[in-house]
Amino acid sequence: DIVMTQSPDSLAVSLGERATINCKSSQSVFSNSNNQNYLAWYQQKPGQPPKLLLYWASTRESGVPDRFSGSGSGTDFTLTINSLQAEDVAVYYCQQYHSSPPGHTFGQGTKLEIK
Amino acid sequence: QVQLVQSGAEVKKPGASVKVSCKASGYSFTSHDVNWVRQAPGQGLEWMGWMNPNSGDTLYARKFQGRVTMTRNTSITTAYMEVRSLRSEDTALYFCARGNHDFDSWGQGTLVTVSS
Repeated sequence: DIVMTQSPDSLAVSLGERATINCKSSQSVFSNSNNQNYLAWYQQKPGQPPKLLLYWASTRESGVPDRFSGSGSGTDFTLTINSLQAEDVAVYYCQQYHSSPPGHTFGQGTKLEIK
Repeated sequence: QVQLVQSGAEVKKPGASVKVSCKASGYSFTSHDVNWVRQAPGQGLEWMGWMNPNSGDTLYARKFQGRVTMTRNTSITTAYMEVRSLRSEDTALYFCARGNHDFDSWGQGTLVTVSS
């Protein structure tokens, strides 16, 4: 099974600064059939379900502020949050979809706090 | 707007079964997979499996094969997930989520508590 490993497990960033979260897959999530990486990022605040932020590794979901961006390909991905706001405090998860073997896997999560 | 509304909290004894429902509205129910994801208290997200509401085809994560069944009733646009032989480690918040690759809409979650 594909294993998704996020780093760090937690981080504290000052308001207005940049936060960077990494996600590494045990095998490539790139699809040659459509030239896309099957990698998504979610934000989960306490007491709420997760919210989709980015899909195809770098495409922002409708309504997501442009301070959230994603990059990477194959097995290594990054979520970047520029100009950190207080409302960005949450746990962030990466998630992959792979067709062989089929299924989804989440990273263990990264807790983001304000310094 | 797209909505997924789940059934209420459940308390079950070890060895029992639980069936959680997920009522979909605001979109074509048969056009998007329904996934189930659980989250144990204070822990991360764990994908359990998906169901194609059009065909009824399912795929379960290896960990849950043989103990979980996902079904649907298209006439009332509702998906179901049943977990059998519950144990204390199954205590968690269970979410349904729409999507074939990424999950763009989520239910509010159903807390299942397994306790003797």
